Amino acid sequence: DSGVTQTPKHLITATGQRVTLRCSPRSGDLSVYWYQQSLDQGLQFLIQYYNGEERAKGNILERFSAQQFPDLHSELNLSSLELGDSALYFCASSVLGSNTEAFFGQGTRLTVV
Amino acid sequence: QKEVEQDPGPLSVPEGAIVSLNCTYSNSAFQYFMWYRQYSRKGPELLMYTYSSGNKEDGRFTAQVDKSSKYISLFIRDSQPSDSATYLCAMKGIAGNQFYFGTGTSLTVIP
Repeated sequence: DSGVTQTPKHLITATGQRVTLRCSPRSGDLSVYWYQQSLDQGLQFLIQYYNGEERAKGNILERFSAQQFPDLHSELNLSSLELGDSALYFCASSVLGSNTEAFFGQGTRLTVV
Repeated sequence: QKEVEQDPGPLSVPEGAIVSLNCTYSNSAFQYFMWYRQYSRKGPELLMYTYSSGNKEDGRFTAQVDKSSKYISLFIRDSQPSDSATYLCAMKGIAGNQFYFGTGTSLTVIP
């Protein structure tokens, strides 16, 4: 158990809908990363937050947004969902300044039908 | 060109074989090099890391970094069925906060 908790584990929704994925980082970790993993694209970095502020942005679509709350949990909001958004979404956390390890949650499997 | 390139495989080997997994990268600023292992339906977990060039050994696993060639490798000796997983390389610069991942190589070790 990495100590990173993601909910829900599975999500099935229709095209055009909006969903929210939740992540609780490891105790003490201020940095949260979101990744999308699909079969053909591998692990794609979406966005990073540190202590409530956005730190780095990757290949995140405009339809997607994220935030980190004062209690350090983070949410990833996906809207106007398309079939191609079906993927595993991972959250990872680390101590800022850690150059070698991010701890991953178990992921949320999103299926858009 | 992607920052990190990794052959997706799949790779299938008999038990006891030596496995070689590789990644190439384009960003010379990368200084930290990691290998993650991901079992099916699980999140990736850190297996090994190295800083800058050189080798690092941990039991049956050896990580190698050749910065001059921008090439990293993970060797698994005496491979076991329990090593069957997807292996992802990851890299990071000294400055900056982002980890750059390869797409992963799927490995199956056949008993």
